[in-house]
Amino acid sequence: QKEVEQNSGPLSVPEGAIASLNCTYSDRVSQSFFWYRQYSGKSPELIMSIYSNGDKEDGRFTAQLNKASQYVSLLIRDSQPSDSATYLCAVSSISNFGNEKLTFGTGTRLTIIP
Amino acid sequence: DAGVIQSPRHEVTEMGQEVTLRCKPISGHDYLFWYRQTMMRGLELLIYFNNNVPIDDSGMPEDRFSAKMPNASFSTLKIQPSEPRDSAVYFCASRLAGGGYNEQFFGPGTRLTVL
Repeated sequence: QKEVEQNSGPLSVPEGAIASLNCTYSDRVSQSFFWYRQYSGKSPELIMSIYSNGDKEDGRFTAQLNKASQYVSLLIRDSQPSDSATYLCAVSSISNFGNEKLTFGTGTRLTIIP
Repeated sequence: DAGVIQSPRHEVTEMGQEVTLRCKPISGHDYLFWYRQTMMRGLELLIYFNNNVPIDDSGMPEDRFSAKMPNASFSTLKIQPSEPRDSAVYFCASRLAGGGYNEQFFGPGTRLTVL
């Protein structure tokens, strides 16, 4: 079983609509959750982090966390063509060495249709 | 600051050859991470260093892979001998010790192709 799972997509959303990206994780003790955006041929960049249950909003982005369901999502309001990218979900967990590490999902490719 | 610097940006080599990837972290950052990204497996942590000391190398796939950090401003990831299944994009990332774990800054990556 993959530790962090995402739908690979592609997910196509009309410009101006809401894009909804989902992620599930297997480690119940995970405490920190992140969304990275990766444009084609570029490196990942952090866009959102969330640590407690509920919603966290930052501009057009909203991260939602439900630890009981082991589920985290990212909503993008008023989608723009510049939002077209692959979105990586990352979850912190404790490694076998007792230290914290980030585990990434394989990403969801999002395309915003003008 | 120029950000995390990686070289080369692209590397094409033949199976069995030695490959060395290089990384210069952001000045002042205490942690350095090496990741590998493939379509099938996504972004995987290979190894990370704290103050030039390797902390967790459990992600290193096998003995063919080795990483060093001789000083605070330079790290290498070496593959010897290389195999076609090593073809991937290799990212280096760094962060400050006092920063949150999420505050990793990624380099542009090295795209490795092993023929």
